[in-house]
Amino acid sequence: DIQMTQSPSSLSTSVGDRVTITCRASQSVSKSLNWYQQKPGQAPRLLIFSASYLQSGVPSRFSGSGSGTEFTLTIGSLQPEDSATYYCQQSYSTPIFTFGQGTKLEIK
Amino acid sequence: EVQVVESGGGLIQPGGSLRLSCAASGFTFSSYEMNWVRQAPGKGLEWISYISGSGRRVSYVDSVKGRFTVSRDNAKNSLYLQMSSLRVEDTAVYYCARVLAVADSLLFDPWGQGTLVTVSS
Repeated sequence: DIQMTQSPSSLSTSVGDRVTITCRASQSVSKSLNWYQQKPGQAPRLLIFSASYLQSGVPSRFSGSGSGTEFTLTIGSLQPEDSATYYCQQSYSTPIFTFGQGTKLEIK
Repeated sequence: EVQVVESGGGLIQPGGSLRLSCAASGFTFSSYEMNWVRQAPGKGLEWISYISGSGRRVSYVDSVKGRFTVSRDNAKNSLYLQMSSLRVEDTAVYYCARVLAVADSLLFDPWGQGTLVTVSS
């Protein structure tokens, strides 16, 4: 099975900073990589699909890139509401869908 | 509005059984694959089960194989997860999520609000 590994597991940063989260796959997933945001007590929300496509309604400060085994989620200018946990998900080896372990982002 | 709503969670003793339901609305349910994802307290998301639109194809994560069964009733716009031989480590919020195919990609949208299953004596 494909394993997904995110780094870092957590980070603390400030409003206005630029943040990058990395997701690595144990084998190539082509561009079949999605990013979700989850806030406490809420269901996950889709941010990015197919590695780099922004979901409708998601602010343009969010962007994704990568292919194969390495992917990044970048938040261009952090806002207080971006405090959340972020997950990557591979949809290459369907019907098995694997999530990364999550990256908890704290805004100082 | 496209939405899915889970129900059926609760407190159950180890070794017991429980059936979760997910009611879908706002879309042609039979045309979409569905999944169950769980999240243990303070932990990350774990995909656990998939079912095709017809119900003929299913898959599971290894930790629930042989204990959980996913099914659907397209006439009732409903998805189910029958859980048996429950363990303490199955304690989690259980989400259902629709598979959406966009630009040659598969993604989960929407998600339900989740239903909490607590396995404890």
